[in-house]
Amino acid sequence: DQQVKQNSPSLSVQEGRISILNCDYTNSMFDYFLWYKKYPAEGPTFLISISSIKDKNEDGRFTVFLNKSAKHLSLHIVPSQPGDSAVYFCAAKNRDDKIIFGKGTRLHILP
Amino acid sequence: ETGVTQTPRHLVMGMTNKKSLKCEQHLGHNAMYWYKQSAKKPLELMFVYSLEERVENNSVPSRFSPECPNSSHLFLHLHTLQPEDSALYLCASSHFEQGYYGYTFGSGTRLTVV
Repeated sequence: DQQVKQNSPSLSVQEGRISILNCDYTNSMFDYFLWYKKYPAEGPTFLISISSIKDKNEDGRFTVFLNKSAKHLSLHIVPSQPGDSAVYFCAAKNRDDKIIFGKGTRLHILP
Repeated sequence: ETGVTQTPRHLVMGMTNKKSLKCEQHLGHNAMYWYKQSAKKPLELMFVYSLEERVENNSVPSRFSPECPNSSHLFLHLHTLQPEDSALYLCASSHFEQGYYGYTFGSGTRLTVV
């Protein structure tokens, strides 16, 4: 049973528009959430994170929103750029420091 | 280079072969991890080493045998694998105290078992 779910395998967004990647989780004991970005033939790289005690964290074009009551988080990228085309993994940390990853969402930025 | 180097990048092996995957980091991290990424599945944690001692084994079959001779090197020894073991194997490292925040991944080894 997946504890971290990314229900959209892929997403296409026009360059310059906002990209919104969604993630749902089932374990209310997760205390930290992370987004990783992965290009083909490379390992995932850390992008942005949020503590469970916050509802928003912003870093440049990237903002992560956390809705604990809905057990939902989202990553907003604005404006979207061609280099943002990649696979984005949502991940969550439990209190045993174990990281649980989602399956990933492939983002295509269209010219 | 990301700081974590994995070799080989690609590996094709028969079910009766024995091979090893290698991971090397020079980031001063004290924890190293093996993850498995199968098609259309989440990244799965396989093993965790902290200060060269295995601290976690996520019910991985014994045909996968990790080795961590020092804090900079991690191996995954493979023997009598099955076709369903074909996947991308990712190594990561971190400062154990900051595990979740400081993950650095390697580029992975794409393993195909025939």
